[in-house]
Amino acid sequence: DAGVIQSPRHEVTEMGQEVTLRCKPISGHNSLFWYRQTMMRGLELLIYFNNNVPIDDSGMPEDRFSAKMPNASFSTLKIQPSEPRDSAVYFCASSLISWNTEAFFGQGTRLTVV
Amino acid sequence: DQQVKQNSPSLSVQEGRISILNCDYTNSMFDYFLWYKKYPAEGPTFLISISSIKDKNEDGRFTVFLNKSAKHLSLHIVPSQPGDSAVYFCAASGGSGGSNYKLTFGKGTLLTVNP
Repeated sequence: DAGVIQSPRHEVTEMGQEVTLRCKPISGHNSLFWYRQTMMRGLELLIYFNNNVPIDDSGMPEDRFSAKMPNASFSTLKIQPSEPRDSAVYFCASSLISWNTEAFFGQGTRLTVV
Repeated sequence: DQQVKQNSPSLSVQEGRISILNCDYTNSMFDYFLWYKKYPAEGPTFLISISSIKDKNEDGRFTVFLNKSAKHLSLHIVPSQPGDSAVYFCAASGGSGGSNYKLTFGKGTLLTVNP
């Protein structure tokens, strides 16, 4: 398996524009996570899906952020409108739910909002 | 409210010596703990884990120790190698309902192993 695949690797956009980040989890994994990494806050969980259903979105910063998982092999994280403070590295991770869970991360998308 | 804390932002050790990275947690519901390693421009990769029913887990040069009463865990790397230079994240999971499977991360410790 190629692992968790994220696209794009880098995104530079202007403030106010819509940004869509994409993730393909590892085949067979039933949980998917979106994390954001910043210097100030480290790695913070934004949203968590189990079997394509959002379970916990308490980490989503505000209504400008939305995430979808239309099927088991694809998820998107959308920011609309984007703001400079959204600049960060966004990671997608997937796992197979069990009591001793380890998550596998993609390489991340570095988002810069100017 | 930071539930997983890594109080040392950075650590520098000499090649061949032991590296000890520390992590504290506040949530007593956590029952599974993991260490991830992260190189620049890459995603975190799983390194080693320990469940709360154990106090030690070893994998080659890497050993994780868990002290539940102190809510503290540590990662020992011995001997340290230059290729171990990376950011190390401590993570924990556990609790009721949907929170059982999500990982809460510390802010990371940058380890530099000098040749």
